[in-house]
Amino acid sequence: ETGVTQTPRHLVMGMTNKKSLKCEQHLGHNAMYWYKQSAKKPLELMFVYSLEERVENNSVPSRFSPECPNSSHLFLHLHTLQPEDSALYLCASSQDPVVMNTEAFFGQGTRLTVV
Amino acid sequence: SQQGEEDPQALSIQEGENATMNCSYKTSINNLQWYRQNSGRGLVHLILIRSNEREKHSGRLRVTLDTSKKSSSLLITAFRAADTASYFCATAGAGSYQLTFGKGTKLSVIP
Repeated sequence: ETGVTQTPRHLVMGMTNKKSLKCEQHLGHNAMYWYKQSAKKPLELMFVYSLEERVENNSVPSRFSPECPNSSHLFLHLHTLQPEDSALYLCASSQDPVVMNTEAFFGQGTRLTVV
Repeated sequence: SQQGEEDPQALSIQEGENATMNCSYKTSINNLQWYRQNSGRGLVHLILIRSNEREKHSGRLRVTLDTSKKSSSLLITAFRAADTASYFCATAGAGSYQLTFGKGTKLSVIP
């Protein structure tokens, strides 16, 4: 256990559905991240929150909408996804933004399949 | 943009031998980190080396960093079957909140 919990672990959704991924960290960290991992591609950073403020948004389509209600919770709201959005979605947290020489702790991921 | 690039993409090792993976990157960094991932699961942090450090050890792991060549290596000594996983390097650049990952090296045991 890394102290970062993601739910659900697996999700199958249709292209017209709306769903949300949840991430919770019990480590008292100040920064949280969403990454996407597709087959045969490097991990792609999607969003970064530092002290509950979004500080980075890497040209992610608007069908992905993050929310950080407090420093312990991070959501990724999904709507009208495409089959190519099927991937492993990983949440991570760090004490400070990683540029400040801190490691990231990852959750187990949500395996998303869009049908 | 992709930063870290691991080499080789796949490596098979006999138990007891040493396994070495390399990582190259393109731009200046604050630190470089190595992570391990078991199939389809989350990443686990192994070791962090800062840009002003040249070598770091943690148990059976040894990491080197050469900022002049923009490269790093991860050595796992006395390989065990339980070390089977994918290994990723990730870089944190100055002025950025990003950890940028490579595609990883898939390490497996020769039966």
